[in-house]
Parts: sequence; structure tokens; C-alpha cells
Amino acid sequence: QVQLQESGPGLVKPSETLSLSCTVSGGPISGHYWNWIRQSPGKGLEWIGYIYYDGNTKYNPSLVGRVTLSIDSSKNQVSLNLGSVIAADTAVYYCARGWAFDPWGQGILVTVSS
Amino acid sequence: VLTQSPDTLSVSPGESATLSCRTSESVGDNLAWYQQKPGQPPRLLIHGTSTRATGIPARFSGSGSGTEFTLSISSLQSDDFAVYYCQHYNNWPPWTFGQGTRVEIK
Repeated sequence: QVQLQESGPGLVKPSETLSLSCTVSGGPISGHYWNWIRQSPGKGLEWIGYIYYDGNTKYNPSLVGRVTLSIDSSKNQVSLNLGSVIAADTAVYYCARGWAFDPWGQGILVTVSS
Repeated sequence: VLTQSPDTLSVSPGESATLSCRTSESVGDNLAWYQQKPGQPPRLLIHGTSTRATGIPARFSGSGSGTEFTLSISSLQSDDFAVYYCQHYNNWPPWTFGQGTRVEIK
């Protein structure tokens, strides 16, 4: 079955750029929407944005200007860049497929701290 | 905005639970429910308001339309005690989640 795996640094300094990758295995990246969602410690879930396999993107208005999603079909990877991070961006970051999100990756905790 | 109620539901094993999700505007039937356990990602239970995701037991059922939605869990098992979230995916993003309902053992 399709599996997603997030990867990237677990610690990012304030004002720098958070960069994560999501590797898709067991199925094609084409024909699907790929999302990034985050969950702050002890808090709820926030949708960050999606990228369609053709490169079309939609972002949460609260993050527009700081977030960029990209896709590399040759590597079956979706990437997230979040710029100018602050402590409030500390969260577990998930990638997930579709509009009703399924499946999800296991998530990666990213801490913003100097 | 999605508002879930109650925030916490205390239920004895074997009993039923009813969770509510209210949206600030109509989302048609574009509503999903997720279950999340500590240290795990959310798991899709229901999409399209009432369609169970692959492998989800029949004791989970969803209903509603427009702005009022319900997740019902019959005969709760120990594995069902978790936090449940609703999420809309109607037309234009941003897609949002409810704040969650914690189902705990009474």
C-alpha cells in the first residue's frame, strides 16, 4: 500500500527556512493531491497547503508568503519550504494524500529554537 | 470554522458515543472524520460524510449534511479511546479541522 515518509532537520533556528521532504512509496505520485499539515505540541491540526502532481498549489492564507511546496515526480517526493520561522512554527509536520487525507506519514517534529 | 462538541466524552466500554461537528457555513457532504492516538498520525475513518475508509469497522458511522455532522461509534472497544477530529474539504481551501473531541474511558 502507499506509504509516506517525512524527512528533514528536527531543529531550525528562528528566521531561517524550514525544509522538509515527503517520500511516497508503493504508489504513483501522479494523479493525486499532496498535502502538508502540522500539529503544534498539544494543539490541533492546521492544514498548510497542497500541491497537485501537475504542480498546481494552494496554500493556507495564514502562511502565504512564507510557504512553498514543490514536487519531484522522478524521485516521488513532495517538499515543503517555510521561511522566516518563529517559535510558533514548532510542530509535528505531516504529509498526506488527497482531500480527505489518507494515508498520512508518521510525521516529523521540527523545533524552532536558537 | 469547525466546532466539535463535546470537548471530552466519557464512555464505558461497550456503550455508544455520539460526536458532533458544526461548520460555520455549508460544506455539502465534503466532511471527513479522523481518529488520533498519542504519538500517531491521524487515521481517516469517514469521508464524504458517511463513507467508511478502507478497513474501518462498521461500528463507526457518519451522518449529516450542510452544517451539522455526527460521528457515531457503537459498542466502544478499548482501541476506540482516542481523539477524534472532523475536517472539511469543500471546494476552495483553506481546509480546516475541528478542535477535536477526546473520548475517554469512564
